[in-house]
Amino acid sequence: EVQLLQSGAEVKQPGESLKISCKASGYTFVSHWIGWVRQMPGKGLEWMGIIHPGDSDTRYSPSFQGQVTISVDRSTTTAHLQWSSLKASDTAMYYCGRHRAPSSYDGFDIWGQGTMVIVSS
Amino acid sequence: DIVMTQSPDSLAVSLGERATINCKSSQSVLYSSNNKNYLAWYQQKPGQTPRLLIYWASTRESGVPDRFSGSGSETDFTLTISSLQAEDVAVYYCQHYYSPPFAFGPGTKVDIK
Repeated sequence: EVQLLQSGAEVKQPGESLKISCKASGYTFVSHWIGWVRQMPGKGLEWMGIIHPGDSDTRYSPSFQGQVTISVDRSTTTAHLQWSSLKASDTAMYYCGRHRAPSSYDGFDIWGQGTMVIVSS
Repeated sequence: DIVMTQSPDSLAVSLGERATINCKSSQSVLYSSNNKNYLAWYQQKPGQTPRLLIYWASTRESGVPDRFSGSGSETDFTLTISSLQAEDVAVYYCQHYYSPPFAFGPGTKVDIK
């Protein structure tokens, strides 16, 4: 079964660092772009960026460029989203998603279950 | 960057009736080299993960009921639910994947009248 399994919920203080994960299974990890999507409480979906696990080619939304880092670990078929210094405004649900077709821009056909990040002092 | 807009923000439709959601992109998402529109539709039910319904503007994802259909080209697109069912209550998003950043529309909430 093709699936993306995300790490569990996090509660952090402002200024702390964080790295959340998205483990892929059931398909050839290096073939499909993986992306991250933010959903703030009660709000819509925001595209953050994508990475191609085959060569680590990464594209960011201007809104998130410099604010987060997207990476992959091919040895564990895991994608990561990390922050060096969290803000309260980073409080949101974060989803990873897989592009439907190999090595192509496409819709997200497989989604992780989401990781809730709460940043509060 | 391409900006996506949707209309209406919300709509309420009687069971069995048609629901129509519009999506507009600020520039064309049609690639002339393959004549494909780089546009997807998603459904997000309350408390759930988004689900891909439609890609290439009009191709239904496997397992999606045929009451869902997508149409349109270049900058104007439509998602139609031909006969609304209770389980279709959700927020629906369009998204382009023409060139990064792949923006989502703001969403349209569909309820039962």
